[in-house]
Amino acid sequence: NAGVTQTPKFRVLKTGQSMTLLCAQDMNHEYMYWYRQDPGMGLRLIHYSVGEGTTAKGEVPDGYNVSRLKKQNFLLGLESAAPSQTSVYFCASSKHGTPSSYEQYFGPGTRLTVT
Amino acid sequence: AQKVTQAQTEISVVEKEDVTLDCVYETRDTTYYLFWYKQPPSGELVFLIRRNSFDEQNEISGRYSWNFQKSTSSFNFTITASQVVDSAVYFCALSERRYGNNRLAFGKGNQVVVIP
Repeated sequence: NAGVTQTPKFRVLKTGQSMTLLCAQDMNHEYMYWYRQDPGMGLRLIHYSVGEGTTAKGEVPDGYNVSRLKKQNFLLGLESAAPSQTSVYFCASSKHGTPSSYEQYFGPGTRLTVT
Repeated sequence: AQKVTQAQTEISVVEKEDVTLDCVYETRDTTYYLFWYKQPPSGELVFLIRRNSFDEQNEISGRYSWNFQKSTSSFNFTITASQVVDSAVYFCALSERRYGNNRLAFGKGNQVVVIP
């Protein structure tokens, strides 16, 4: 049981390049999330998904797109990377339903640098 | 507006001292959940505790304890007899029923440094 995994762990992009970050979970969780973490800012929600085939915007969605084609995977895309997107990206997942399932479980993070 | 405020940015303590982290939250919902997460230097986020808005009972779990007070919108966290392994960033987070309890708003974190 690997929990939440993220690919890649590190990436350097040039301004204008595109890339996709992959998140996978093996806990059969309905909900999945993408956050970014910047120094002194805490974590901020980019997009999230409440089930396969559905996505919704979070607090800072601009410049990102997401897709949830399979329940276990949640992809985060950057179509044209900008230096402001330099950050550490975390994926998380949670169950749906009872209050005891509301905690989110996080992946190890992806450190992205845009030059 | 910041929904979760963690005023102290960095706290340094000598090993075996107690350390208390303050968290003040803001919500109009009557049903909400509060969380504490730990982020050690390795970078992963580790879930520590969840409290719901109906449960003001304070709790002790080993060296950790939590003090939830709705009257002051505070959810403080204490580490007793700190150890070097407690050095980490600690995040307080809030989820609100209006968002289906599935969106976490994080505070900016408290950096705890335990000096041996």
